[in-house]
Amino acid sequence: QVQLVESGGGVVQPGRSLRLSCSASGFTFSSYGMHWVRQAPGKGLECVAAISYDGNNKYYTDSVKGRFTISRDNSKSTLYLQMNSLRADDTAVYYCAKRSPGGSYYYFDYWGQGTLVTVSS
Amino acid sequence: DIQMTQSPSTLSASVGDRVTITCRASQSISTWLAWYQQKPGKAPKILIYTASSLESGVPSRFSGSGSGTEFTLTISSLQPDDFATYYCQQYNSYPYTFGQGTKVEIK
Repeated sequence: QVQLVESGGGVVQPGRSLRLSCSASGFTFSSYGMHWVRQAPGKGLECVAAISYDGNNKYYTDSVKGRFTISRDNSKSTLYLQMNSLRADDTAVYYCAKRSPGGSYYYFDYWGQGTLVTVSS
Repeated sequence: DIQMTQSPSTLSASVGDRVTITCRASQSISTWLAWYQQKPGKAPKILIYTASSLESGVPSRFSGSGSGTEFTLTISSLQPDDFATYYCQQYNSYPYTFGQGTKVEIK
């Protein structure tokens, strides 16, 4: 069965960096695009970054452009999110999510359990 | 960016009630709409995709309809396990955006 397991969250001071990982199993990781979605405490869901199956195409929401970098290692079935220059408003649970199978339009058919990032001095 | 607006924000209902949640898109998204259920402390779970297709394993009391800019999620007979927050999401174009959520509470 599909499993996505995030790690790397924690408490970090403003301006510092953190790297999140998402270990995937139960499917052919190298065939699917992947996303990072975050949820601030008590708030809704926000797509932060996306990466194509081969890593050649990436997307970032405006608020993280230039600070966050999404990447993947298909040999390790692992997705990453490098977060630099962290701000208090980056505090959230970060989920990795798998794209659905299909053509050009994708929803998220599997999600990890999430990892909490708290940016605070 | 495409804005997604859900209504109501909170809904109080009883077991057995028929419940309807509405989602409106700021521009046409054809049927590229998904509905997710989220329980406290858990990840969202896919219920409906392409506006009306039921994800495998999801009970048939859940249904979706709509196209263009107006969509609905209906629970035909609310069960105790259905008390949760529901989100719509458009995947017509980046950035994929979610509605603000509808919390279904026990009346």
